[in-house]
Amino acid sequence: AQSVAQPEDQVNVAEGNPLTVKCTYSVSGNPYLFWYVQYPNRGLQFLLKYITGDNLVKGSYGFEAEFNKSQTSFHLKKPSALVSDSALYFCAVRGNTGFQKLVFGTGTRLLVSP
Amino acid sequence: EAGVAQSPRYKIIEKRQSVAFWCNPISGHATLYWYQQILGQGPKLLIQFQNNGVVDDSQLPKDRFSAERLKGVDSTLKIQPAKLEDSAVYLCASSLGRQIYEQYFGPGTRLTVT
Repeated sequence: AQSVAQPEDQVNVAEGNPLTVKCTYSVSGNPYLFWYVQYPNRGLQFLLKYITGDNLVKGSYGFEAEFNKSQTSFHLKKPSALVSDSALYFCAVRGNTGFQKLVFGTGTRLLVSP
Repeated sequence: EAGVAQSPRYKIIEKRQSVAFWCNPISGHATLYWYQQILGQGPKLLIQFQNNGVVDDSQLPKDRFSAERLKGVDSTLKIQPAKLEDSAVYLCASSLGRQIYEQYFGPGTRLTVT
């Protein structure tokens, strides 16, 4: 069965600094990987996905993620954080063989200080 | 493009009562999902529909939860009778298809069972 680990409950970063939110996964077959963001009292918003191809994926709001197959990781990054990036971030994975449901991590809260 | 609509946004009921949630997906999206998100956790898939057929309901507590998607568009999720542990946010999502497509989430219904 597939699983996702987000090892940090919270990440703190100063505005203007680079940020990284970590994600590792376990899946049968090759992975389809997704990042979503959740603002208070709102549903999840899609940021980016990795299906195949280039290991560096670019998404919405200046975010990007790097797929590393040997380390089974898919860390979310942004070169320069904004206060408005403060939110809850979820990594999710599903396998590419047969039917496999999308499994979410427990989430990482990002706090960007002014 | 209109997003995924859900109602109600908030619901408070007593244990052993029944409750129903409604979801209207993005037009043209064949796949519809219901997730349960307990505080501090990532969303957990309850049921997935492809058009009006059930693809996966393996994590749906079928003794108390039921869902339908008549005519392959709107969907309702029902809980009868509710338990205290059902307190959560219920998220509806839709996608163009399965597997590689990202899911678009509604704002969710926050259920409190007292």
